[in-house]
Amino acid sequence: DIQMTQSPSSLSASVGDRVTITCRASQGISNSLAWFQQKPGKAPKSLIYAASRLQRGVPSKFSGSGSGTEFTLTISSLQPEDFATYYCQQYKSYPLTFGGGTKVEIK
Amino acid sequence: QVQLVQSGAEVKNPGASVRVSCKASGYTFTAYFIHWVRRAPGQGLEWMGWINPNTGVTDYAQKFQGGVTMTRDTSISTAYMELSRLTSDDTAVYYCARDWGIETDTGIIDYWGPGTLVTVSS
Repeated sequence: DIQMTQSPSSLSASVGDRVTITCRASQGISNSLAWFQQKPGKAPKSLIYAASRLQRGVPSKFSGSGSGTEFTLTISSLQPEDFATYYCQQYKSYPLTFGGGTKVEIK
Repeated sequence: QVQLVQSGAEVKNPGASVRVSCKASGYTFTAYFIHWVRRAPGQGLEWMGWINPNTGVTDYAQKFQGGVTMTRDTSISTAYMELSRLTSDDTAVYYCARDWGIETDTGIIDYWGPGTLVTVSS
């Protein structure tokens, strides 16, 4: 199975900050990488697929980059509604596997 | 709009089975694969498998083979996930999620259900 490792596991940031989260795959996955956002008690929300393509309706403040084994999710200007936990997921091969999550908290 | 509505929370005894439902609306149910993913307390997200609602064909993660059964009822646009021989390790929130691809499994998830908490306790 492909292991996905996110860093950091948590971070504190202020409204307006630029935030970057990293996801590493244990082997090359090309650009077969997605990002999700989840708030407590809510369904996950899909943000990005193919490493950098926004899902329908996702604001452009979210961006993704990377290929192979290293990927990043960037939130350009953090807003109150962005405080949540973010997960990466590879779909290069089954079983689908997920990163452990990065919790973005208010500083 | 696409919606996945899941059944309510369940409490089960060890050794029992549980069936979670996922009712789809806002799109053609048979055109998109459904994945099931769970998260146990303090653990990460774990993919369990998918079902092709058109054909009923399934693909289960090796860990769950022999213990999980995914089915569907196309007449009511509902997918089901049944887990048998429950143990405390199966206490988790179970999510259904729609695959982004049309009539194929891409592994890209575009919509998620709200989750169903299953608690296994004697």
